[in-house]
Amino acid sequence: GENVEQHPSTLSVQEGDSAVIKCTYSDSASNYFPWYKQELGKGPQLIIDIRSNVGEKKDQRIAVTLNKTAKHFSLHITETQPEDSAVYFCAASIQGGSYIPTFGRGTSLIVHP
Amino acid sequence: DTEVTQTPKHLVMGMTNKKSLKCEQHMGHRAMYWYKQKAKKPPELMFVYSYEKLSINESVPSRFSPECPNSSLLNLHLHALQPEDSALYLCASSQAGQGTVLDSPLHFGNGTRLTVT
Repeated sequence: GENVEQHPSTLSVQEGDSAVIKCTYSDSASNYFPWYKQELGKGPQLIIDIRSNVGEKKDQRIAVTLNKTAKHFSLHITETQPEDSAVYFCAASIQGGSYIPTFGRGTSLIVHP
Repeated sequence: DTEVTQTPKHLVMGMTNKKSLKCEQHMGHRAMYWYKQKAKKPPELMFVYSYEKLSINESVPSRFSPECPNSSLLNLHLHALQPEDSALYLCASSQAGQGTVLDSPLHFGNGTRLTVT
């Protein structure tokens, strides 16, 4: 089955800095890669996703890049703000196939004011 | 606010109690999920309903019993739980199930925080 590795487990930055979270996956058939943000006391919420036929996608301060050859994808957050503090999960799934996502272990992002 | 509503938000139950967790979505999604989440861990899949039929049971103990009364509702019936079952129970839904080519992210509720005493 699919295996998703996520690093780092904890990331501490100053407000205004950039943050990068990296994930690798094992199953070359995976073709859909969502990122979820989980704030304290809430469920995970989708913040951005990317399909395997796209190399990069941006949404304001958030971007995701995908390298299919190397089987890794990354989340980039620029100009971080304290409200970005949360746990971030990457995931990989096969749309059109098993479709159930495999989650990474999560990254706790702390943005210091 | 999330479009997936879970009740109750908190639940404390003894090991001999019977209780139910409820989940509701009105997005027209045809796949619904139960996840269990322990502190500082990713969500762990328990059950998947696709078009109101149980399609995946991840070898969950029988003290957890899912039910999907209709396409908008999902229940999780709890009986004779153990203290190690204490966790955040998350419901999620997605547009489609197996075989679809749609990009279909999960939409999570905010969960039920369950404590078994």
